[in-house]
Amino acid sequence: QQPVQSPQAVILREGEDAVINCSSSKALYSVHWYRQKHGEAPVFLMILLKGGEQKGHEKISASFNEKKQQSSLYLTASQLSYSGTYFCGTESGQNFVFGPGTRLSVLP
Amino acid sequence: NAGVMQNPRHLVRRRGQEARLRCSPMKGHSHVYWYRQLPEEGLKFMVYLQKENIIDESGMPKERFSAEFPKEGPSILRIQQVVRGDSAAYFCASSPNLGWAQYFGPGTRLLVL
Repeated sequence: QQPVQSPQAVILREGEDAVINCSSSKALYSVHWYRQKHGEAPVFLMILLKGGEQKGHEKISASFNEKKQQSSLYLTASQLSYSGTYFCGTESGQNFVFGPGTRLSVLP
Repeated sequence: NAGVMQNPRHLVRRRGQEARLRCSPMKGHSHVYWYRQLPEEGLKFMVYLQKENIIDESGMPKERFSAEFPKEGPSILRIQQVVRGDSAAYFCASSPNLGWAQYFGPGTRLLVL
């Protein structure tokens, strides 16, 4: 079953912060985050495993609440290069499925 | 270390023809995933394969579509008797194991006339 992402789209000014949420109705083993720029392939950002850890990647970090089966991606001091569509991917058992994506536009 | 390779990058077929898409995973990766993406839409899972085995094909249409990942050579996604609705970008991704990071190829853009 596909995870739910919110918001569907967000527009920011350079330097602003954003949070993208991903939730599932299934018990999750891990959550992945990917970014896809227009016309390009998705690029892996990070994985979060069961354990509620928080990970960081420059000014992009994420958390995973395994009790709520939710993950959040935090983008701080956004840059123009952050524009793209962000997908979460959830793993449960032998099954891996991507969410519908959140379109992020960063304006100068 | 070469990334995931897909070919062809663009493929044009007429209705009723066959489309054959190839994916060479990253070195050391034995797990391959195929996804379909329509313009402005998300990544729809099609099939997950490990060397010589199909692990999960729940996202693949029962008819006309097939996938394989032989012991030697690339993974192949085959679409027989293509229809206009098959036009899409097809991405493959590879990983060393299920649940590990997936690394995507550049995709094959299929256009059915």
